[in-house]
Amino acid sequence: DAGITQSPRYKITETGRQVTLMCHQTWSHSYMFWYRQDLGHGLRLIYYSAAADITDKGEVPDGYVVSRSKTENFPLTLESATRSQTSVYFCASSPPNNEQFFGPGTRLTVL
Amino acid sequence: EDKVVQSPLSLVVHEGDTVTLNCSYEVTNFRSLLWYKQEKKAPTFLFMLTSSGIEKKSGRLSSILDKKELFSILNITATQTGDSAVYLCAVEEGRGSTLGRLYFGRGTQLTVWP
Repeated sequence: DAGITQSPRYKITETGRQVTLMCHQTWSHSYMFWYRQDLGHGLRLIYYSAAADITDKGEVPDGYVVSRSKTENFPLTLESATRSQTSVYFCASSPPNNEQFFGPGTRLTVL
Repeated sequence: EDKVVQSPLSLVVHEGDTVTLNCSYEVTNFRSLLWYKQEKKAPTFLFMLTSSGIEKKSGRLSSILDKKELFSILNITATQTGDSAVYLCAVEEGRGSTLGRLYFGRGTQLTVWP
């Protein structure tokens, strides 16, 4: 199916564990983004990518790692999860100079 | 400090009312302003504004940008219960052809009662 998908949709993990959130888009958009959404903060940019093998930090990158070996995938890894990383994570993609299209989100709980 | 400030944070109206949502911003290299609607899931795109004074319209929704005063409004006329959602304003900052970054406001929670 065309579009942007995220997996898993829900994840519960424990403090200190490594977690990887997956994002896949079928539009061949060059730009991809990871946001987290928390009450009182709105959507905040974690990392973004202009193309395969090109990534850059957003507003809140600490504790996260990304990679982009293929245009269509943009995984986000929490190397050692903390309770403060409990959030809803949205992946988005866009062609240049166009609006971003958001995935369905992953609700992550860190116990 | 927030680069994008939305007001009000929440609004409760009755069906048929007209509402105006506000978004003010402060970024160095403004490229565009976007409005999204979020209904307990992923944000969905409404409008992208790049030029001052040009109203964009889609059905009962309309939006306009003032780049001199650094704000935008989103109007919804004849509101319906299906308009209940969080409305997000985002401002894209970027130079030339480089990838722009979006800064989001905290959103306005609109509730429309029947």
